[in-house]
Amino acid sequence: AQSVTQPDIHITVSEGASLELRCNYSYGATPYLFWYVQSPGQGLQLLLKYFSGDTLVQGIKGFEAEFKRSQSSFNLRKPSVHWSDAAEYFCAVGDNTNAGKSTFGDGTTLTVKP
Amino acid sequence: DAGITQSPRHKVTETGTPVTLRCHQTENHRYMYWYRQDPGHGLRLIHYSYGVKDTDKGEVSDGYSVSRSKTEDFLLTLESATSSQTSVYFCAILRSSYEQYFGPGTRLTVT
Repeated sequence: AQSVTQPDIHITVSEGASLELRCNYSYGATPYLFWYVQSPGQGLQLLLKYFSGDTLVQGIKGFEAEFKRSQSSFNLRKPSVHWSDAAEYFCAVGDNTNAGKSTFGDGTTLTVKP
Repeated sequence: DAGITQSPRHKVTETGTPVTLRCHQTENHRYMYWYRQDPGHGLRLIHYSYGVKDTDKGEVSDGYSVSRSKTEDFLLTLESATSSQTSVYFCAILRSSYEQYFGPGTRLTVT
């Protein structure tokens, strides 16, 4: 069965500092991987996705993520965090062989200090 | 952009009463999903649908049923609501690129 682990429940960074959110997955084949962001009281918005090809993927809002098969990881990065990036971030693995069902991590809450 | 709406957006109900949540999409996406979101648990799949009248269980389906009589509507029913079903419920559709697109959510409180 597929699973996703986000080791950090809560991360605090200063505005302008770099950010890395960790995600580890378990999946039997080549995974479809996603990062979503959720602002308070809102739905989930897709930041970026990896299906195949280049292991460094670019997303919206200046985010990027790198797929590392050997480490079963898909970490999210941003070189310079803005106050508006404060939100909850979810990593997910999609099952492209079973109705496209996704399994989500428990999320990482990002706080940005001024 | 795919339109997906959920109704109601907020609901307070009493233990033991039936509740139905509606998800409506404006495009003909085949796959639709219902998730619940609880603090510390991320999103957990309740049920999903792969076509009209075709549904299946997710990981937390106990106490929930679904129906899909039209492509655009996917209904989630709590037959007899319990306090443990207090949660935020999200509907999603699957785009052709295998990414899920989410509705705005329904906040349900069972007292």
